[in-house]
Amino acid sequence: DTGVSQDPRHKITKRGQNVTFRCDPISEHNRLYWYRQTLGQGPEFLTYFQNEAQLEKSRLLSDRFSAERPKGSFSTLEIQRTEQGDSAMYLCASSLEGVEAFFGQGTRLTVV
Amino acid sequence: GQQLNQSPQSMFIQEGEDVSMNCTSSSIFNTWLWYKQDPGEGPVLLIALYKAGELTSNGRLTAQFGITRKDSFLNISASIPSDVGIYFCAGQGGSNYKLTFGKGTLLTVNP
Repeated sequence: DTGVSQDPRHKITKRGQNVTFRCDPISEHNRLYWYRQTLGQGPEFLTYFQNEAQLEKSRLLSDRFSAERPKGSFSTLEIQRTEQGDSAMYLCASSLEGVEAFFGQGTRLTVV
Repeated sequence: GQQLNQSPQSMFIQEGEDVSMNCTSSSIFNTWLWYKQDPGEGPVLLIALYKAGELTSNGRLTAQFGITRKDSFLNISASIPSDVGIYFCAGQGGSNYKLTFGKGTLLTVNP
């Protein structure tokens, strides 16, 4: 499978715990994006990388959120001290040169 | 910030019917994209539009980039049951690469 891969697909965590998600983009795609999607809404932009550089962060990305792409390949998104409002689908996408972003299957986070 | 208004919110149609949905924006976009999302899955790219007035087809799907650059529509002809899902428009504007999404159109096709 050469698509965008996300792990885990589902995560249930207790409030206050830290969680980390991983995204493996399509090989050779230099741009990688994180989006968040809540029920009944479209995906909302969180942040994006060009190679290993994080070029833009949304105001939605509070200081409890951090994303990395250390070698310009896979990326991780960490949420510290999770809150119930963090419950959502976290989507990763990648693109090559243009804006045509290809999405992974997402990680569904439930904070209890 | 940029906002997208997508309509209708939902549609319930009979198999074989044609479908039309649209998006309007308060801002100009450089690119319009249309995605389809099945429950529990990520969005799948259907069509990308890059120029004002552009009309692009992908099988039974046709999309157009409005000449004002503030709107786009998607048509699905001769709908089939597997067309069921949520359709999202997304726009890209300015010099960055982030996408702004609409809230989606839920399509239900009755066999």
